[in-house]
Amino acid sequence: ETGVTQSPTHLIKTRGQQVTLRCSSQSGHNTVSWYQQALGQGPQFIFQYYREEENGRGNFPPRFSGLQFPNYSSELNVNALELDDSALYLCASSLKTSVTTDTQYFGPGTRLTVL
Amino acid sequence: RKEVEQDPGPFNVPEGATVAFNCTYSNSASQSFFWYRQDCRKEPKLLMSVYSSGNEDGRFTAQLNRASQYISLLIRDSKLSDSATYLCVVNFPTGGFKTIFGAGTRLFVKA
Repeated sequence: ETGVTQSPTHLIKTRGQQVTLRCSSQSGHNTVSWYQQALGQGPQFIFQYYREEENGRGNFPPRFSGLQFPNYSSELNVNALELDDSALYLCASSLKTSVTTDTQYFGPGTRLTVL
Repeated sequence: RKEVEQDPGPFNVPEGATVAFNCTYSNSASQSFFWYRQDCRKEPKLLMSVYSSGNEDGRFTAQLNRASQYISLLIRDSKLSDSATYLCVVNFPTGGFKTIFGAGTRLFVKA
C-alpha cells in the first residue's frame, strides 16, 4: 500500500451542494495533487499543493478549491456541485525538491455521485 | 491536439505475447515521465519511471525519445494478470507544476 489515505470512500450529494474531500499524504512527502477521473477516462489534474500553497492548476473552474495543512494533509472543496462533477477523485502525494518532483503515489480515491 | 495522447485500445493479446504501447506528448518542456497501471475501479499504481537511456524491470521495458516526444512501454511474455489499463503520465513546469495523464490503453490478456 502507498500510505496515502482518502475520506470518505463514497459520497452522494445533490446539485448545488458543497463537498469537502480529505487526503492524508504518505509519510515524508510534502506535496499533494488532486485529480478527477470520470468513467472511462484518464485522471484530469485539478491542482497541486506544495508547502501549503497552490503550485499548479489544471483547467478547472474556481469552484474547485483546496487547502494543504502544515502536516501536508489536504482538502479538496467543490462548491455548487454539478451533475458532471460525478467522478472518482484521486489524491496523490509526492516529495518535491528544488530539482524535480518525485513519483506520485495515489490514494484509493473518493467516489462522488451528484444527483 | 491533446497534451498527451496514447494508442487507442483495447489491445487483446494471448498469454505469452509481446505488446507495445506508445504515447506522445506536446510540451517539449516536459520533465519527467511515467507509466502507471490501473485496475478496474482502483487507483493508478506506478509501474515504472521512464528515462532517456531506457529502463527495464523484469518483463517491462520503457523508452523515452525526447526528440520525437514520445514514450513507449513494452511488455514481454504477457500474463493474465497484466490485464489492466496502462496510463502514460507527463509532468511539466507551467508557472508551477502540471501533471497530464493520457486517456489510457486497455489491455486484455487471454488464456
